[in-house]
Amino acid sequence: DVKVTQSSRYLVKRTGEKVFLECVQDMDHENMFWYRQDPGLGLRLIYFSYDVKMKEKGDIPEGYSVSREKKERFSLILESASTNQTSMYLCASGGSLETQYFGPGTRLLVL
Amino acid sequence: AQSVTQLGSHVSVSEGALVLLRCNYSSSVPPYLFWYVQYPNQGLQLLLKYTSAATLVKGINGFEAEFKKSETSFHLTKPSAHMSDAAEYFCAVTDRGSSNTGKLIFGQGTTLQVKP
Repeated sequence: DVKVTQSSRYLVKRTGEKVFLECVQDMDHENMFWYRQDPGLGLRLIYFSYDVKMKEKGDIPEGYSVSREKKERFSLILESASTNQTSMYLCASGGSLETQYFGPGTRLLVL
Repeated sequence: AQSVTQLGSHVSVSEGALVLLRCNYSSSVPPYLFWYVQYPNQGLQLLLKYTSAATLVKGINGFEAEFKKSETSFHLTKPSAHMSDAAEYFCAVTDRGSSNTGKLIFGQGTTLQVKP
């Protein structure tokens, strides 16, 4: 079974803090993805990575950056958290036939 | 640009009734298609996928979906709803413009309510 883990299930941060969300997969997948999920807006792609140190912007990259130093780990960084970044963050790992496998999600609250 | 449309943001059925969740896609090239389910406060779990083999695809928990190219549809069905099916369901299609990066385009989601 593919396993995708995220570092925190729930996180509370203050406005202006730097926030790190970590994602680890155990299936040696090339592709990894970060989404945010908000009510009524579905899943929106923030960034994705198709190889170590390679990244591409998704649909809503503003206010975020990513890091992929090792194949199994993909980090999402909020350089200066703002209240409009309160959301559910989902990491996914991409396997064969473009199937994505999701982690449990991190619910982030920015006060 | 490719898109996925899920008709109905909320669907309510009685326990034991047929479940039908609708998904239409726009793509000139036959895509791969997926249905995912999300239970409260969890990530998305793959229900089933179509990858150009059989047009009727069976998934987990008794769900199935049929790929109809002429209708550009991939509707999800289950003959008899169970209370545990209450969740949010997402249809997704491969983004053929993404040059093999594995990107998916997701629909807006349909919340399934199952009444006793």
